[in-house]
Amino acid sequence: NAGVTQTPKFQVLKTGQSMTLQCAQDMNHEYMSWYRQDPGMGLRLIHYSVGAGITDQGEVPNGYNVSRSTTEDFPLRLLSAAPSQTSVYFCASSYSIPPSEQYFGPGTRLTVT
Amino acid sequence: ELKVEQNPLFLSMQEGKNYTIYCNYSTTSDRLYWYRQDPGKSLESLFVLLSNGAVKQEGRLMASLDTKARLSTLHITAAVHDLSATYFCAVDKWDGGSQGNLIFGKGTKLSVKP
Repeated sequence: NAGVTQTPKFQVLKTGQSMTLQCAQDMNHEYMSWYRQDPGMGLRLIHYSVGAGITDQGEVPNGYNVSRSTTEDFPLRLLSAAPSQTSVYFCASSYSIPPSEQYFGPGTRLTVT
Repeated sequence: ELKVEQNPLFLSMQEGKNYTIYCNYSTTSDRLYWYRQDPGKSLESLFVLLSNGAVKQEGRLMASLDTKARLSTLHITAAVHDLSATYFCAVDKWDGGSQGNLIFGKGTKLSVKP
């Protein structure tokens, strides 16, 4: 199993550009989520999904969209990038709901200039 | 609003010493998680605590959960340099409608020195 994979590993965007961060898991997990990690802030939940076709907002959803058309994939879209979205983004998945042990992807380091 | 507070945020220890990291949370939850993060790396699950009184141990780390006090502890025994990392606790925000919404503490950066 590859586990949770994320692409790209690094990305630089200009203000106003849009992009999609990809996340995939091959463990047949129902629960998937996106977090951002900023220095001194810990991890904050952006959006999560409890199954294909079902998504919900987390703590800091503004400026981000998600969809879950398959169990495996959970992309995160930045609609119009802003410098405040400079962060490290982690995708995670878990077998059960509520989440038990979560498996985290390697992260995407995003810089918005 | 659920708040998760860890203390200390920074901890410098000598090898061989014992110490405890505390995780307090502000609302009812029976599910608490501990993670480890090495610099520049992803998060690794350490412990999943799913009931009051739960205690789990792995090597030099032991985690416990007291849901009545809304407190979890991560105890380090005879620290070694390899334990240097940032440790996060996270609580499942369960209000009957937003199941699956994890709130993380800010993390405790542990440095173990010879």
